[in-house]
Amino acid sequence: KAGVTQTPRYLIKTRGQQVTLSCSPISGHRSVSWYQQTPGQGLQFLFEYFSETQRNKGNFPGRFSGRQFSNSRSEMNVSTLELGDSALYLCASSWAPATSGSSDTQYFGPGTRLTVL
Amino acid sequence: GQQLNQSPQSMFIQEGEDVSMNCTSSSIFNTWLWYKQDPGEGPVLLIALYKAGELTSNGRLTAQFGITRKDSFLNISASIPSDVGIYFCAGQPNLNTGTASKLTFGTGTRLQVTL
Repeated sequence: KAGVTQTPRYLIKTRGQQVTLSCSPISGHRSVSWYQQTPGQGLQFLFEYFSETQRNKGNFPGRFSGRQFSNSRSEMNVSTLELGDSALYLCASSWAPATSGSSDTQYFGPGTRLTVL
Repeated sequence: GQQLNQSPQSMFIQEGEDVSMNCTSSSIFNTWLWYKQDPGEGPVLLIALYKAGELTSNGRLTAQFGITRKDSFLNISASIPSDVGIYFCAGQPNLNTGTASKLTFGTGTRLQVTL
């Protein structure tokens, strides 16, 4: 089975621009979660999408948004980029039946390295 | 944002030595996960623990879910050079609350193995 894929792998933008990152989950997985990883804050949860709906949200400003398509693929958008948005953005997928144990384990993609100049 | 306390922050060990690291939280988690991350890659799941007191092995790795549900331990036996990387613990809330996706990660343990 193919793993979680993320595109692009690397991206350079300037302040004020916006960016869209893409994530394709493992086949059959219905939940996609996004995380931001920085040296200072570590791995922080951004949001989760399940069945095209945002199910959970972390403590990030409204400039960070996302969506999920009917095939479970997800996109994350950051508007009005700031220098502090430079980070590795990770996507994780899971089957997410919401009540089971091991099936809800999250598997991560390789990430998109965003640099804001 | 919240991060779990993970120690040690970094370790330099010799090949063949055993390694121990731990993770503590002020909150209870229903699942503890251990991931390893190589440079430029996403975290890879090593071990998942679902029950307080559970001890689980994956090859040379052994992890335990603390009885208080507020901590977890990871041991690596007979380390080899490819064990180099950053190890993260992660706590997962109760699956029945609908917030299971919100993993809270530890601060990471950077492991370096010398020959």
